[in-house]
Amino acid sequence: NAGVTQTPKFRVLKTGQSMTLLCAQDMNHEYMYWYRQDPGMGLRLIHYSVGEGTTAKGEVPDGYNVSRLKKQNFLLGLESAAPSQTSVYFCASRLRGGYTFGSGTRLTVV
Amino acid sequence: TQLLEQSPQFLSIQEGENLTVYCNSSSVFSSLQWYRQEPGEGPVLLVTVVTGGEVKKLKRLTFQFGDARKDSSLHITAAQPGDTGLYLCAGTTSYNNNDMRFGAGTRLTVKP
Repeated sequence: NAGVTQTPKFRVLKTGQSMTLLCAQDMNHEYMYWYRQDPGMGLRLIHYSVGEGTTAKGEVPDGYNVSRLKKQNFLLGLESAAPSQTSVYFCASRLRGGYTFGSGTRLTVV
Repeated sequence: TQLLEQSPQFLSIQEGENLTVYCNSSSVFSSLQWYRQEPGEGPVLLVTVVTGGEVKKLKRLTFQFGDARKDSSLHITAAQPGDTGLYLCAGTTSYNNNDMRFGAGTRLTVKP
């Protein structure tokens, strides 16, 4: 049982480039989330989904887009990366209770 | 400003000592969770509390939810090096139980 899998684990982008982060869960969870973690600021919610085909904005959605075409996958896209988007990105899922997190993607935008 | 304020930000103690970390807010939460995060990994859920005044124990860890559901504490008895990590509290309000807000965390180091 893999839980929540994030790919890639590391990535370096140049300013203005685009990329997609993939999150996959094998627990049949309805709810999925994307967070970013920055030093001294904790985790901040970017976008979330309450089920296949749905998405909603979180606390810091600007500069990001998401899609949930399949229940098990939640994609986070950066259309035009900026240095302010340098961060560690975590995906999480849940059924009813606590969140299960992936191990993160460390993204550096230069 | 953080919705959830955690203190202390850093804590370094010797093995065998006791410690308490705090999570405070001016908001009322419908549920509050504690997570532990190790370097290079995602947070792992330790406990969920939902009732004001609730106390939960997990081996040497004791979690308490404030009566007004605005604050929480985590007490560790006889800390061990394996307790080292970043402890995060997180809460949801009744407005949106999908908008979980995290504190910045307490980084605990337990020296052998």
